[in-house]
Amino acid sequence: ETGVTQSPTHLIKTRGQQVTLRCSSQSGHNTVSWYQQALGQGPQFIFQYYREEENGRGNFPPRFSGLQFPNYSSELNVNALELDDSALYLCASSGDYGYTFGSGTRLTVV
Amino acid sequence: GNSVTQMEGPVTLSEEAFLTINCTYTATGYPSLFWYVQYPGEGLQLLLKATKADDKGSNKGFEATYRKETTSFHLEKGSVQVSDSAVYFCALSGRNAGNNRKLIWGLGTSLAVNP
Repeated sequence: ETGVTQSPTHLIKTRGQQVTLRCSSQSGHNTVSWYQQALGQGPQFIFQYYREEENGRGNFPPRFSGLQFPNYSSELNVNALELDDSALYLCASSGDYGYTFGSGTRLTVV
Repeated sequence: GNSVTQMEGPVTLSEEAFLTINCTYTATGYPSLFWYVQYPGEGLQLLLKATKADDKGSNKGFEATYRKETTSFHLEKGSVQVSDSAVYFCALSGRNAGNNRKLIWGLGTSLAVNP
């Protein structure tokens, strides 16, 4: 049984740029969700994908978008980066027995 | 809507002290309840969970009981260690239409254990 892997682990981008974060899904899990965790805060729900379709979204602007692939891996894309987008981005895959989180991608926008 | 309220930190204890971190929730239906732990510089790890009323989740000496009558899921440990220093998050998950499994999080409670 494989866990959830996120890449890259760390990333530095310039304001206005675009970024793509990647997440593999745990075997047997068909749902993936993304969270943003600012320093010292709890995770905030961005969106969730189930069988390649978005089926839930938090209070994030449209410049946050995603994809889920047939193998249930996923991407998070953020356009027009802002300084406040600096955070730890967490991916979680879930199935009938719970959630598995990746270690996160630390994004710094300068 | 669903929500989770955790006691504010930081909590500072001496080694071998008793730990309680309070968590209460508001939810429709019958959510599942979780405690996650985040060690410095790391991602989230599931510590324990309970899926129905009166269930007790336990792991690594930590326990929490799903109390529907008080809508609570307090985390306890009888004797903390320095290695337990971390941030602890209470969360709930409710199933709704479309198989949405969104986790609702508390704000986290930072625990520091001194030797």
